[in-house]
Amino acid sequence: GNSVTQMEGPVTLSEEAFLTINCTYTATGYPSLFWYVQYPGEGLQLLLKATKADDKGSNKGFEATYRKETTSFHLEKGSVQVSDSAVYFCALRNTNAGKSTFGDGTTLTVKP
Amino acid sequence: NAGVTQTPKFQVLKTGQSMTLQCAQDMNHNSMYWYRQDPGMGLRLIYYSASEGTTDKGEVPNGYNVSRLNKREFSLRLESAAPSQTSVYFCASSGGGQKETQYFGPGTRLLVL
Repeated sequence: GNSVTQMEGPVTLSEEAFLTINCTYTATGYPSLFWYVQYPGEGLQLLLKATKADDKGSNKGFEATYRKETTSFHLEKGSVQVSDSAVYFCALRNTNAGKSTFGDGTTLTVKP
Repeated sequence: NAGVTQTPKFQVLKTGQSMTLQCAQDMNHNSMYWYRQDPGMGLRLIYYSASEGTTDKGEVPNGYNVSRLNKREFSLRLESAAPSQTSVYFCASSGGGQKETQYFGPGTRLLVL
């Protein structure tokens, strides 16, 4: 079956530090990969996605590259801000109209 | 364009009471989902509906029922609430393709005493 493994948190960084949150997956076929973000008290929202190998998704300074050879989709940002404090979820989807598989989430806290 | 809406936002129930959580989307999506989120356990799929007229069990369906009322609405019912169902419940919807993003509602916080 499908699975997503995320770097365990919580992660605490100082403002302007470099961020990496690791995500690896197991899936059959060629899944689409997603990063979602959840701010306190809210639902999840899409941060970025990539739908085929070697694609790079990017948004708001965050990036992730779909690496099929290492089955990974690591999230990076060069300089985090306090407003980036949130829970980040890696997810995959490889069936039409079907279920997505989510990682357990990584809590990021950025301190001034 | 409201996206995905959920009602109520908060609810307190006593053990054994029943309630229905409502969800509606205005994006003409085929697929809709119900998740629960518990501390340290990520998101767990309760039920989903790939298209109007169909529903399927997810990872944790016991104690819940769902109804896909029409293309817009997907409700979740707790027939006899238990303290183990204390959680935050999220509804989501998406288009039918593999590349489609899921759009989430703001959540319903449920406390069962």
